[in-house]
Amino acid sequence: DAKTTQPNSMESNEEEPVHLPCNHSTISGTDYIHWYRQLPSQGPEYVIHGLTSNVNNRMASLAIAEDRKSSTLILHRATLRDAAVYYCIPEGEYGNKLVFGAGTILRVKS
Amino acid sequence: DVKVTQSSRYLVKRTGEKVFLECVQDMDHENMFWYRQDPGLGLRLIYFSYDVKMKEKGDIPEGYSVSREKKERFSLILESASTNQTSMYLCASAGWANEKLFFGSGTQLSVL
Repeated sequence: DAKTTQPNSMESNEEEPVHLPCNHSTISGTDYIHWYRQLPSQGPEYVIHGLTSNVNNRMASLAIAEDRKSSTLILHRATLRDAAVYYCIPEGEYGNKLVFGAGTILRVKS
Repeated sequence: DVKVTQSSRYLVKRTGEKVFLECVQDMDHENMFWYRQDPGLGLRLIYFSYDVKMKEKGDIPEGYSVSREKKERFSLILESASTNQTSMYLCASAGWANEKLFFGSGTQLSVL
């Protein structure tokens, strides 16, 4: 079975970049990598997803390793509102279902 | 904007009661999901539906059933509620490719 690992928690200073890593060593070649985040007292929200090349949107960037065994979510300038749990979800672990792990708790200090 | 609506924000039920949690989405999405979230355990998938009347078990289906009679509505049923089913329940929907899940705001269920 595929296995996804993320750090339990990370800390960042406000206005600085944050790199959130994720290892997904058994991902197959056609499975996308999704990232979601969950702000306190809210349901998760979509952040970004990608397959092979790096992806950018207004929220974040996603850097995917060439061998696709790992990826990194990049928040270019962390704000206090970015404090959340960030989930890395490779497709394919459970067929057509997206399964959330424990995620990484990001704390942002002012 | 996509809207996923869960019928109740807070719900209190007694042990042994039959409980229905309703979820409605307005984007004609094929896929709908029920998760539960408990402190320290993250989100765990209970059931998933990819079409009307179709369902698949997730990680923790025991004690739950689901119903999808119409495309926009996905119901989670606790046949006989137990205290260990006290949890936050989150519904989500997505198009057929699961490119982007949209979540409801959740139902905090307490079983006494």
